[in-house]
Amino acid sequence: EVQLKESGPGLVQPSQTLSLTCTVSGFSLTDYSVHWVRQPPGKGLEWMGVMWSGGSTAYNSALKSRLSISRDTSKSQVFLKMNSLQTEDTAIYYCTRESRYYGYSYNWFAYWGQGTLVTVSS
Amino acid sequence: DIQMTQSPASLSASLGETVSIECLASEGISNDLAWYQQKSGKSPQLLIYAASRLQDGVPSRFSGSGSGTRYSLKISGMQPEDEADYFCQQSYKYPPTFGGGTKLELK
Repeated sequence: EVQLKESGPGLVQPSQTLSLTCTVSGFSLTDYSVHWVRQPPGKGLEWMGVMWSGGSTAYNSALKSRLSISRDTSKSQVFLKMNSLQTEDTAIYYCTRESRYYGYSYNWFAYWGQGTLVTVSS
Repeated sequence: DIQMTQSPASLSASLGETVSIECLASEGISNDLAWYQQKSGKSPQLLIYAASRLQDGVPSRFSGSGSGTRYSLKISGMQPEDEADYFCQQSYKYPPTFGGGTKLELK
């Protein structure tokens, strides 16, 4: 069974760095890419970035200067780090997996973690 | 980035009513579009991919259509469990982008 689960601090102070972990099971990080998507409370979804199965990354240009995604394949974990947090970064942060149909990869997201709420406040 | 404009922002439907939600892309996306349902306090759930293909396990009252820049999600016969937020998403070009969402309520 495919599962993803986010973990990290619920509260981060302004200007500090956010560190989140996505622990996956039921698939290998070397076979599927994992994306990060966030959602401010009551608002829409924003794609943040991706860890490709081959180990490279891509980021939303609006966040690129503050965002870093890495992984530990031996632990089936993908990490998100974002610095210089502000109140507008308060959101639910999700990790999600790419989909595969007839052997082709697509950036439609059939598997999501439960999400973790991060509040930026002093 | 490709902008996805979703409408309406909210709507209310009676039990059994047919509902449509529209999504307009700022450029052609070649049917590379997905629809998600998000119930309160839950993660998004994939309903439709490739504009019109129904994800496994999704009730057949959900359907998707469209081409070019205009796409729509139809619910044929509103049910109480369909009360949720709905989002479209293009994956034609990076970065993937989402519509602003439609809040669907049962009247």
